[in-house]
Amino acid sequence: GQNIDQPTEMTATEGAIVQINCTYQTSGFNGLFWYQQHAGEAPTFLSYNVLDGLEEKGRFSSFLSRSKGYSYLLLKELQMKDSASYLCAVMDSNYQLIWGAGTKLIIKP
Amino acid sequence: GEEVAQTPKHLVRGEGQKAKLYCAPIKGHSYVFWYQQVLKNEFKFLISFQNENVFDETGMPKERFSAKCLPNSPCSLEIQATKLEDSAVYFCASSQSGGSGANVLTFGAGSRLTVL
Repeated sequence: GQNIDQPTEMTATEGAIVQINCTYQTSGFNGLFWYQQHAGEAPTFLSYNVLDGLEEKGRFSSFLSRSKGYSYLLLKELQMKDSASYLCAVMDSNYQLIWGAGTKLIIKP
Repeated sequence: GEEVAQTPKHLVRGEGQKAKLYCAPIKGHSYVFWYQQVLKNEFKFLISFQNENVFDETGMPKERFSAKCLPNSPCSLEIQATKLEDSAVYFCASSQSGGSGANVLTFGAGSRLTVL
């Protein structure tokens, strides 16, 4: 079956760095997405990786290793507004998005 | 428009009643997706459309769920004879393409269905 694993919850301190991991087993691979979702709101797109390596976008970076079925989202200089759920999703060979359960990130002052 | 518009924001139904949700995708987006999100944050894919044609319906519980995307009308998701476990937030998303790896979904704000 298809499976996406990410930690349920993480806690970090304002100003620090946090890495949210995602491992996947899917039928084929057509890219991996990270979305941010604040409580009660719609998910918003953060990043897309289809080739191995690191994609940097401001304070957020996303890394992919296809051979390991692994990705991480790195958040630097954490701000209180970064408190949200972070969703990892993989597009399989049928171009269907398979979603992880999300990682709830709690930022403490 | 530049956003995915979903209505209603909240819907309360008694068990066994019908529920109908609407979604207007971003203008120019050919693909529409419906997802069900329950409390655990996990998104369950329901169905996708390419324009008015069903693209993928592998996630649809076909006994009670149906969906349409008709020309010049919002897309709709209908649940006949709702059950308690249908209580969830239903998200609609649209994208320019559905068959490309660079397919970024833009989500609507969601419709929260509560079945009592």
